[in-house]
Amino acid sequence: DVKVTQSSRYLVKRTGEKVFLECVQDMDHENMFWYRQDPGLGLRLIYFSYDVKMKEKGDIPEGYSVSREKKERFSLILESASTNQTSMYLCASIARGRLYGYTFGSGTRLTVV
Amino acid sequence: QKEVEQDPGPLSVPEGAIVSLNCTYSNSAFQYFMWYRQYSRKGPELLMYTYSSGNKEDGRFTAQVDKSSKYISLFIRDSQPSDSATYLCAMSGKETSGSRLTFGEGTQLTVNP
Repeated sequence: DVKVTQSSRYLVKRTGEKVFLECVQDMDHENMFWYRQDPGLGLRLIYFSYDVKMKEKGDIPEGYSVSREKKERFSLILESASTNQTSMYLCASIARGRLYGYTFGSGTRLTVV
Repeated sequence: QKEVEQDPGPLSVPEGAIVSLNCTYSNSAFQYFMWYRQYSRKGPELLMYTYSSGNKEDGRFTAQVDKSSKYISLFIRDSQPSDSATYLCAMSGKETSGSRLTFGEGTQLTVNP
C-alpha cells in the first residue's frame, strides 16, 4: 500500500525552538507539499517542491523553510517556533503531471507553548 | 475573496438522510474538481474527482460540477454514521504549477444513528 509517512503524530515545542517536521513517501512522486490546517481556514499551502532541491513558496511561507535533499523526503522547518504556528500540519505528494489525487500523510499536530 | 468557498457547516443529519455539500469558485481555469474525506485525526483521502462539467456517480455518492455557475456539489444518499467526517472540495487546472490544489475550508458532517 502506497504511503506518505509523517514522523510524528503529536509534538509539543517551546516558543523560539527550531522545529523539524519530516515527511517520507514511497511512491517515487516528484511533487510534495506542506499544508497547515486550521478550523475555519481549511488547508493552506506553505511550501511545495516539484523536484529534488527545488522549492516554491505557497500562500503562507512566512516563518517556515523547507528542505528536499532526496526525492522521497520533504522536511518542513520552523526556524523559531511561535504560538501562532500551533496547527495541524499535513504533507502530501503526487506524481508529476497529475492534477488530482494527492496522497496525504496522517498529519502532525504541533502545539507551541 | 477566496478562490474557493465552501459551506462551512457543521451539518448534523439523521441516518438515511440525503446530504448535499457545496462549493463555489472564482477561477475559470479550474478543470479538475475533487472531494476529499477526512476522518478525525487522519489525513484527507480522495473520495471522488470530476473533470470539467457533469455528474459522476460512485455508489451512494454523486459529484456534480456546473462550470457555467462555478458551483460544485457532493450528494450522499442513504447517509450512514460511517460517513461522519470532514469533507473538503479541491480544484486544479492545467495552468496550476506543480499540481497544486486549491481547497475549500471543509464541511464537518455528523450522521446520527
